[in-house]
Amino acid sequence: SAVISQKPSRDICQRGTSLTIQCQVDSQVTMMFWYRQQPGQSLTLIATANQGSEATYESGFVIDKFPISRPNLTFSTLTVSNMSPEDSSIYLCSVYGTQRGDTEAFFGQGTRLTVV
Amino acid sequence: AQSVTQLGSHVSVSEGALVLLRCNYSSSVPPYLFWYVQYPNQGLQLLLKYTSAATLVKGINGFEAEFKKSETSFHLTKPSAHMSDAAEYFCAVKGQGAQKLVFGQGTRLTINP
Repeated sequence: SAVISQKPSRDICQRGTSLTIQCQVDSQVTMMFWYRQQPGQSLTLIATANQGSEATYESGFVIDKFPISRPNLTFSTLTVSNMSPEDSSIYLCSVYGTQRGDTEAFFGQGTRLTVV
Repeated sequence: AQSVTQLGSHVSVSEGALVLLRCNYSSSVPPYLFWYVQYPNQGLQLLLKYTSAATLVKGINGFEAEFKKSETSFHLTKPSAHMSDAAEYFCAVKGQGAQKLVFGQGTRLTINP
């Protein structure tokens, strides 16, 4: 298993500003994943963050809008830049389990972002 | 590429009734399949998973799911609904060689007293 701590848990931000979300894992993992969950919607993968290399972004997401850092094997940040009300969502960090036989993903509690 | 379809964005059952949440997948290779639950204002919690062992998988909170290759389905059931089961449920698929987890649209389960 993996225990993920995400900060902040929620925030209300002004449009045009940026917010950085932190994700801390209790064990070393190769890949960390960032998801967006828009109100009433399912989860959409934003990007995959590998330590020591640039993040890989999914179609529709760009680095200028969602820069990601991965300074070590237990930590990552996602920044939501130049925010607009359309960025109001839950942002979730995820990793795969690190125990032998683990195939499932584990998720942080999410960051609930409201842009006004 | 893998994909998942959850039939019914909203399911409502009475307390004590059978819960059935439907999930169909599309995958070119035998997949891993998962059901996650999301309670209000919380992250996702794994209910159960299929990883090519037993086709009937038992999970937490009395839920179970059956993998049916011929129907490409992985429906989630619980014999008797409890008020605490009210939540959003997501079916997800991952290819055995893939890293990406693909989610269905989600089904909101409401329990009526």
